[in-house]
Amino acid sequence: DAGVIQSPRHEVTEMGQEVTLRCKPISGHNSLFWYRQTMMRGLELLIYFNNNVPIDDSGMPEDRFSAKMPNASFSTLKIQPSEPRDSAVYFCASKTGLAGEETQYFGPGTRLLVL
Amino acid sequence: QKEVEQNSGPLSVPEGAIASLNCTYSDRVSQSFFWYRQYSGKSPELIMSIYSNGDKEDGRFTAQLNKASQYVSLLIRDSQPSDSATYLCASNQAGTALIFGKGTTLSVSS
Repeated sequence: DAGVIQSPRHEVTEMGQEVTLRCKPISGHNSLFWYRQTMMRGLELLIYFNNNVPIDDSGMPEDRFSAKMPNASFSTLKIQPSEPRDSAVYFCASKTGLAGEETQYFGPGTRLLVL
Repeated sequence: QKEVEQNSGPLSVPEGAIASLNCTYSDRVSQSFFWYRQYSGKSPELIMSIYSNGDKEDGRFTAQLNKASQYVSLLIRDSQPSDSATYLCASNQAGTALIFGKGTTLSVSS
C-alpha cells in the first residue's frame, strides 16, 4: 500500500497568493483529516471528512481556509489569500471506517512557508 | 475545551535505561488513546494504541491507561539512541478526530 500521499512536499509562496495542498488517502479508508503543526500550537485538527462529507470544520482558522473532498481518493486544502502566520506543516491523515478501528495514518506533510 | 497535556521535556535518559512518558487528558468520555512517535522533519507514526484500563505491551514499549485518573503513559525499556524523537499522546471518542498533546521530546544518549 502506498500510504497517504500529499503534494507538494514543500511550498514557498508570497503573502496574498493562493495555496492549494493535495491529499490522497489510503485506498479503502473513508475518513480523512487535515492537521496543521507549528512549534507554538502543536498538532491541531483543521477539518475532517467521513465518506467525503465534512463532519467537523471547527478548527479551520478563518474564511481564508477551505477544504474539499470531491471523491474518496482526493482532498484539497486551499488558503486564499495566504499570510505569513499560515506557515506550518500541514498533514493529511486517513483511517478506515471499521468499528473500533481508530488508528489514523499520516502522510509525509506539506511544509508551507509564506513570505 | 478538550485537552491533552504532556510535559514538553526534553526528557534525557542514558542508553539502556527506561524512559517514562506521561500524558493526561480532560475529556472523560475519551475511549481510545494513542502514542505517536515523530522524528524531526517527519510525520507522526503510530507506536501504541490502548483502549482498556491496564497495561499493553509491544516489544520494548508498554502503554498504561488509567481512565479514573485520566492518565496515559508510555514506557520504553532498554532505550536506544534511535528512540530519540518527540512522542505525541492523543485521545478521541469513537469516530471523531484525535486530540493531540504538544509532545514530549526524548533524548537517549549513548
